[in-house]
Amino acid sequence: NAGVMQNPRHLVRRRGQEARLRCSPMKGHSHVYWYRQLPEEGLKFMVYLQKENIIDESGMPKERFSAEFPKEGPSILRIQQVVRGDSAAYFCASSPLGADRSIQYFGAGTRLSVL
Amino acid sequence: DQQVKQNSPSLSVQEGRISILNCDYTNSMFDYFLWYKKYPAEGPTFLISISSIKDKNEDGRFTVFLNKSAKHLSLHIVPSQPGDSAVYFCAAKLQGGSEKLVFGKGTKLTVNP
Repeated sequence: NAGVMQNPRHLVRRRGQEARLRCSPMKGHSHVYWYRQLPEEGLKFMVYLQKENIIDESGMPKERFSAEFPKEGPSILRIQQVVRGDSAAYFCASSPLGADRSIQYFGAGTRLSVL
Repeated sequence: DQQVKQNSPSLSVQEGRISILNCDYTNSMFDYFLWYKKYPAEGPTFLISISSIKDKNEDGRFTVFLNKSAKHLSLHIVPSQPGDSAVYFCAAKLQGGSEKLVFGKGTKLTVNP
């Protein structure tokens, strides 16, 4: 049973370009979460999605950031017109339905570097 | 504001001894707490969790204690092993809210052989 898959593992972008981060949840999981980690910091919640629905985007910046989890395919976190401050590790997590949904399982992350 | 606090950035213990990692929280509406372990360049790995209706949960070498009146939880690892060396994150979930987790900044544990 494959875990949460994120790609790419490393992404380098120049200021002003777009970054697309992909996440495939664990098999059987229908909830996806995105978190961001800055150096020497804990993980900060960004957005929580279920298939075709954004449930909670309270942690996501209002501009330049968007997320989707389509009916088919992986969840995508999109950052438009990246700036140096977007450089961070972005982690995706997934959880199942039901009583165990409070336990989130994380992918290895995408490390975004903005030049 | 930091709702989940891990006040010790680092901890060093000898192999075979007990490691105790601490976590404090400020929001009394948290109802579920989790500990994650993270190695460099990897994602966090779930270790153990506890519901606010309990005060202890044990899984092998790992035990989590919850003191609701003090808004404090701790993770005990005994006996500690060199492979336990990692950054440990405490996380909490709000009652009735979305499933988002609020993380502390982490404690780096080093277990010396």
